[in-house]
Amino acid sequence: QSALTQPASVSGSPGQSITISCTGTSSDVGGYNYVSWHQQHPGKAPKLMIYDVSNRPSGVSNRFSGSKSGNTASLTISGLQAEDETDYYCSSYTSTSTRVFGTGTKVTVL
Amino acid sequence: QVQLVQSGAEVKKPGSSVKVSCKASGGTFNTYAISWVRQAPGQGLEWMGGIIPIFGPATYAQMFQGRVTITADESTGTAYMELGSLRSEDTAVYYCASGRYFDWLLDYWGQGTLVTVSS
Repeated sequence: QSALTQPASVSGSPGQSITISCTGTSSDVGGYNYVSWHQQHPGKAPKLMIYDVSNRPSGVSNRFSGSKSGNTASLTISGLQAEDETDYYCSSYTSTSTRVFGTGTKVTVL
Repeated sequence: QVQLVQSGAEVKKPGSSVKVSCKASGGTFNTYAISWVRQAPGQGLEWMGGIIPIFGPATYAQMFQGRVTITADESTGTAYMELGSLRSEDTAVYYCASGRYFDWLLDYWGQGTLVTVSS
């Protein structure tokens, strides 16, 4: 199972919106609505931000939203803040009953 | 809310094996899945495999098949990950994470265990 493809980096100014893409295949992203997104600050464990494509766990800011079209899922961060500057990973359930992560995206707030 | 506490850092020789533990509290241990995820220095996250205690045998990612063994002890609420034939490339932080069982959702995470493989 190959890693899902994410852009290495995305940047934006405070207050702007950015979108991170996550491209897979019909055997993972395109085949299931079990895409999730994690945020990871340096030296910390990842934190679940979005699950089932577009659902937010309790306590996660509504500035984070998710969507999917075909084999590509997306995470949008609106009203970008300095605290959003860190790494983000998508992941998806797969046709082999496993989970696969994306390659990761570093978000920079300009 | 599930809390996961992992065992401490390990230093291992190439060719040896390491066993990391993950003790869960909160929730009902045998009704959720425990996954293991690793992260090499400066690299991304890799899902290694997982176990659903109530269902028994673990599921493994293809790249780790044959080298990793994931088990669970329902009596103590503890999951284990054993990785064998260690090489320097296995130097990484190993995380356990729990979530619902049908799609290996990674909801709650342990603090991570650094495993260093060095001669």
